[in-house]
Amino acid sequence: NAGVTQTPKFQVLKTGQSMTLQCAQDMNHNSMYWYRQDPGMGLRLIYYSASEGTTDKGEVPNGYNVSRLNKREFSLRLESAAPSQTSVYFCASSGSGQGHQKLFFGSGTQLSVL
Amino acid sequence: QKEVEQNSGPLSVPEGAIASLNCTYSDRVSQSFFWYRQYSGKSPELIMSIYSNGDKEDGRFTAQLNKASQYVSLLIRDSQPSDSATYLCAVNMTGNTPLVFGKGTRLSVIA
Repeated sequence: NAGVTQTPKFQVLKTGQSMTLQCAQDMNHNSMYWYRQDPGMGLRLIYYSASEGTTDKGEVPNGYNVSRLNKREFSLRLESAAPSQTSVYFCASSGSGQGHQKLFFGSGTQLSVL
Repeated sequence: QKEVEQNSGPLSVPEGAIASLNCTYSDRVSQSFFWYRQYSGKSPELIMSIYSNGDKEDGRFTAQLNKASQYVSLLIRDSQPSDSATYLCAVNMTGNTPLVFGKGTRLSVIA
């Protein structure tokens, strides 16, 4: 039972490079999320998708784009990476449409932008 | 601005003691409340959820909710060194919106 799988686990980029973080869930959840976590800042929502075909901005969307490819997959793209995007990124999913409750998290991606 | 506030800690307790973790939230009509545990270098995992006023117990964990005071807490009885982690409070606020997380409280249980 894989749950939420995100790749890669680690990535180092140079400023200006682009990359896509992949996320897939096998729990038949409707809602998926991308968070970043920085020391002392807690979890901050970047984008979320309440259902297949919809995406919405979270608290810190600037510099990111997302694609809900299908019900299972939700990707996060950095078009031109900046050092401020150095962070740990978590994908999550939830099955409850109302309230976006009970999140299940992937194992995280440690991203460094030099 | 809808906010969830937690003391960042660290909160240090001796092994076997009760650890008390607190959280306040700004939106009076919030409906659902969650506690996540996050070990260093790992992802958050859900340990408790509570939806109505009062206490909810699950093993050594008790979640307490007081909507009038906009306050939710987590008690860990018989604390163990393995409970040492960061505990994140999360609140579902009005409407069909994602959870809002506090910044977390780091708990250290001293053997």
